[in-house]
Amino acid sequence: DQQVKQNSPSLSVQEGRISILNCDYTNSMFDYFLWYKKYPAEGPTFLISISSIKDKNEDGRFTVFLNKSAKHLSLHIVPSQPGDSAVYFCAASASFGNEKLTFGTGTRLTIIP
Amino acid sequence: NAGVTQTPKFRVLKTGQSMTLLCAQDMNHEYMYWYRQDPGMGLRLIHYSVGEGTTAKGEVPDGYNVSRLKKQNFLLGLESAAPSQTSVYFCASSYEYSGELFFGEGSRLTVL
Repeated sequence: DQQVKQNSPSLSVQEGRISILNCDYTNSMFDYFLWYKKYPAEGPTFLISISSIKDKNEDGRFTVFLNKSAKHLSLHIVPSQPGDSAVYFCAASASFGNEKLTFGTGTRLTIIP
Repeated sequence: NAGVTQTPKFRVLKTGQSMTLLCAQDMNHEYMYWYRQDPGMGLRLIHYSVGEGTTAKGEVPDGYNVSRLKKQNFLLGLESAAPSQTSVYFCASSYEYSGELFFGEGSRLTVL
């Protein structure tokens, strides 16, 4: 039972355009969400997070949007750059501070120069 | 500052053999985790520890054991390796009350 779903295994975007990565969750107890970025042969690195008390969090070119009623979150990257090409994982936990994160299956983003 | 270091990086085992993966962190983090990554499955939690001397089961603990004798080290053991344990294993650590995990580079294990 996949509680965190990333239904798009891959996405290609032109450099300079907006990249939108989507994530859906089924567990209504999840209230803290994170995005991780992973390059080949490296471990994932934390990118941005959002708690359920917010519907938007922004950090430079990266913005995460949360729609609790739809159990959906998205990561927007504007403008997209070649260095953004990586696999992006969505993750969720039930309450901030919970030691267990549940990860999605990942979306491979390719930025086309 | 090394962060999270995993050894070995690569290992090939025969079915039934045993091995231990070592994870070391130098950030004085309380929490440590072992995940496995398989194609189409994302990252799945095997075991975790919330402090020295503690361990707990994650989502897919069967076939693995762990120990946290020192705060900075978290060991993952396979007593009798099976082909289904072929995977990339990631260790991670974090401060208390944070979902921000710091990951190692991964260890690729192949069981023949």
